Amino acid sequence: QSVLTQPPSASGTPGQRVTISCSGSSSNIGINHVYWYQQLPGTAPKLLIYRNNQRPSGVPDRFSGSKSGTSASLAISGLRSEDEADYYCAAWDDSLSGVVFGGGTKLTVL
Amino acid sequence: EMQLVESGGGLVQPGGSLRLSCAASGFTFSNYAMSWVRQAPGKGLEWVSGISGSGGSTYYADSVKGRFTISRDNSKNTLYLQMNSLRAEDTAVYYCPKAPTDKPYYFDYWGQGTLVTVSS
Repeated sequence: QSVLTQPPSASGTPGQRVTISCSGSSSNIGINHVYWYQQLPGTAPKLLIYRNNQRPSGVPDRFSGSKSGTSASLAISGLRSEDEADYYCAAWDDSLSGVVFGGGTKLTVL
Repeated sequence: EMQLVESGGGLVQPGGSLRLSCAASGFTFSNYAMSWVRQAPGKGLEWVSGISGSGGSTYYADSVKGRFTISRDNSKNTLYLQMNSLRAEDTAVYYCPKAPTDKPYYFDYWGQGTLVTVSS
C-alpha cells in the first residue's frame, strides 16, 4: 500500500488532455513539494516535474503539474502515442524522514 | 556526460548478503545527495535509502532499516548499499538516482539499475 494514492490507470486518445491525480497527507504533500516521474516501458524513470510545477530542460510544455492542499495532479495536453508510460508522483515525508511514491498510473494512448 | 552505473546485483539465498555499487561520473559527486530506489518485478517504485553529499546524513525506509546500510566513497565517486538478511520481498531492480541538491528529496538523473533476486 503506497503512502501516496494514484489511480492505477488512465487513458486518452491522441490530442486529448488527461490528468493524473495524486493524494497524500499533511506530512508529505501538505508541506513539501511534489515531483512527477515518467517511466517508459523497459527504461529507468525520468524526472518530469519538480517542485510542484517546474519542468526540467527538455520536457515539453504539454506536461504541467499543480498542487493544492494535500493533493497534486499531472496534466498532459495534446496527448501523443509516445506519452504511453507509467507515471509516479513522489514527495518527501517529514514523519517518515524519507521519500514516498505513489503506486503509479499506467497511461494508455488509445 | 553524466553517468550512473549500478553493479553487484545477482541471485542470493534468503538470509544472505549482497553489496551494490554505483559508479558516478560527469559531475562533482560529493556535492549531491544520492539514493537507492527499487522496483520489484511488475511493481511500482519504492525509495530505499538516501545519503547526503558528505555522507554525514543517512535516511532509510522502514522496510530496510536495520538490514541495509548506505555509504559513499567520494574519493572513488562511488555509492554503496550493503544489504544483509535479505528476504524474497527484496527482489527488485535497484536504481541509484542522483539528487540535484545535498538533500535526497528528489532525483534528476537515474542509472539503468541492477537486478537483485532473493531466492533459494
